[in-house]
Amino acid sequence: GAGVSQSPSNKVTEKGKDVELRCDPISGHTALYWYRQSLGQGLEFLIYFQGNSAPDKSGLPSDRFSAERTGGSVSTLTIQRTQQEDSAVYLCASSLVKGGTEAFFGQGTRLTVV
Amino acid sequence: GENVGLHLPTLSVQEGDNSIINCAYSNSASDYFIWYKQESGKGPQFIIDIRSNMDKRQGQRVTVLLNKTVKHLSLQIAATQPGDSAVYFCAEKGAAGNKLTFGGGTRVLVKP
Repeated sequence: GAGVSQSPSNKVTEKGKDVELRCDPISGHTALYWYRQSLGQGLEFLIYFQGNSAPDKSGLPSDRFSAERTGGSVSTLTIQRTQQEDSAVYLCASSLVKGGTEAFFGQGTRLTVV
Repeated sequence: GENVGLHLPTLSVQEGDNSIINCAYSNSASDYFIWYKQESGKGPQFIIDIRSNMDKRQGQRVTVLLNKTVKHLSLQIAATQPGDSAVYFCAEKGAAGNKLTFGGGTRVLVKP
């Protein structure tokens, strides 16, 4: 596809279950971000991958959250033992060049923990 | 402005008028400042950026102003249109390779 693709678009899970959210960035983009957005709120930074450098994990809220990026392309955000406060829209973005200011966002995955 | 609970600061603008959206930033070391627009149900979309060594940059119907003395960034939209109704976020980026950090958003409502 031409843009950033995220799946699933919606996910309802029971408290305590693990979830995996997937992001397919734009081909060739070296930078990849994950953000979390609660209803009516701003974008909370979670993690940033830049090429082969070690990811910036400084935004991950707890050790229940992890992310990986395989082969410099697809990324998966995993939330273990989900809690109700994890309910939010999880947005992925990619950027073409190192230091690029224009990040292209996906539509997000709306996660609801019940 | 800053988000308080579920209430984003809201700017109501008459169609055709100019809009000014403000943002205060904290990191003096940021290399770039950026504005993004987020329409309902969509991810944010890049509008315009400005490098920290500049004071003003113009795009199509938009102007970004940077005042480093008071750490203030603004986005001016000329002749606001209904399609400009959205939430606008400021963001900052450090030196090359650093992450993009978003500030609080402002909801713009354009009245016909």
